[in-house]
Formats: sequence, C-alpha cells, structure tokens
Amino acid sequence: GQQVMQIPQYQHVQEGEDFTTYCNSSTTLSNIQWYKQRPGGHPVFLIQLVKSGEVKKQKRLTFQFGEAKKNSSLHITATQTTDVGTYFCAGGYGNKLVFGAGTILRVKS
Amino acid sequence: NAGVTQTPKFQVLKTGQSMTLQCAQDMNHEYMSWYRQDPGMGLRLIHYSVGAGITDQGEVPNGYNVSRSTTEDFPLRLLSAAPSQTSVYFCASSPGTGNQPQHFGDGTRLSIL
Repeated sequence: GQQVMQIPQYQHVQEGEDFTTYCNSSTTLSNIQWYKQRPGGHPVFLIQLVKSGEVKKQKRLTFQFGEAKKNSSLHITATQTTDVGTYFCAGGYGNKLVFGAGTILRVKS
Repeated sequence: NAGVTQTPKFQVLKTGQSMTLQCAQDMNHEYMSWYRQDPGMGLRLIHYSVGAGITDQGEVPNGYNVSRSTTEDFPLRLLSAAPSQTSVYFCASSPGTGNQPQHFGDGTRLSIL
C-alpha cells in the first residue's frame, strides 16, 4: 500500500535554531497536508499544498511541495518553545490520506 | 460549534471485553474516519465513511466494526478487546473526500489489560 516516509523521527533543538522535517512518497501525491499535535493533544491541520513546486509560508513556518509531487518539507525558522509537538505530513492518494510517522520536536530554552 | 466530540476520553478494559467509542460531529461533514495512534507509527486509518449508510475498511480494520446510520455519528466498536488494541483513538471528519483537511476530536486513550 501507499506509504509516506517522514524524517527525522525526533529532533531536539536549542531555542532560536531552525528545524526541518521531510516527507517522501514513492508515488505521486494528489496533495500534501501538514498537521501539528501538541503533547497530549490532537492533530491540528496547518496547511495543504496541491501544486507542483508550491511554497507557502505561515509566519516562521515554510512549507514546500516538490516538483514531482512526491516529497515535501516543513521548515521552522528560529524555533520557540511554543513550537514543541509532533509534526505530521499526510499525503493524498486518490480519496485517501496516508500519514507519516511524525517528527517530534523538542525545544530547549 | 462543538466540532468533533469523542467519548469517553479514557477507558481501561480487560481482555475480551467489548465496548463502543463514540464520535459525533456537528459540522454536517460527509466524510468521517477513525485512526489509531501508536508511538513511532503515526496515524493509521481503521475505518472510514463517505456518508450515511456507507462504510469501508482502512489500513488496520481487524478487530473493529463501524456503522454510520446518521451524518453526525460514527461509532467504533471493539468486538473482543486485545492488549494489541491499546492505543489512542482519534475520530476525524471533513466536508469532502478523505484527502481533504481533517478535523480531529480530542481522542480516546484506551488501555487493554
């Protein structure tokens, strides 16, 4: 079945450092979505990318969708303690979403 | 709007017991789904529904049943609980198809002893 590989599994950064998580699919995606889950919480939708090569920004967060629509990245500039949590990508295959395993972000202040 | 409401929030069961996890949404969303979340494995789709009266299996359906008699409700039934079903269960909904942004409930933390 379809799989979305997400790396790294875990990242511990100093406050103010940048952070990036990557997702990759072996087959073309119809779209890619990103979610954030705070510790003890539920996943919350952040953004959806649909077009090849698309780049979107939300304040310090930059989301990219690859030209082949098989990979994506989320980059956080100058992390803050409020950024802690697990970031998931979810790839669209037809009418279904397949989630990556997530990247756990911890921020040292 | 309450969004997606899940009950209970926590539950402990003994092996072999059955129970139903409740999920209700008040956004008139056609698509509803159940996921389980286990450490290091992300969110795995158990069952989903594209509308009232229609359900289908996801990635990990064994040991679970669902029904969709109304647009609002999508209960998940554990027929005979096993320790491998210890997990956090999330219900989600979206207005369109399953590849659209999902609205998640707060989750049910289930332990099977």
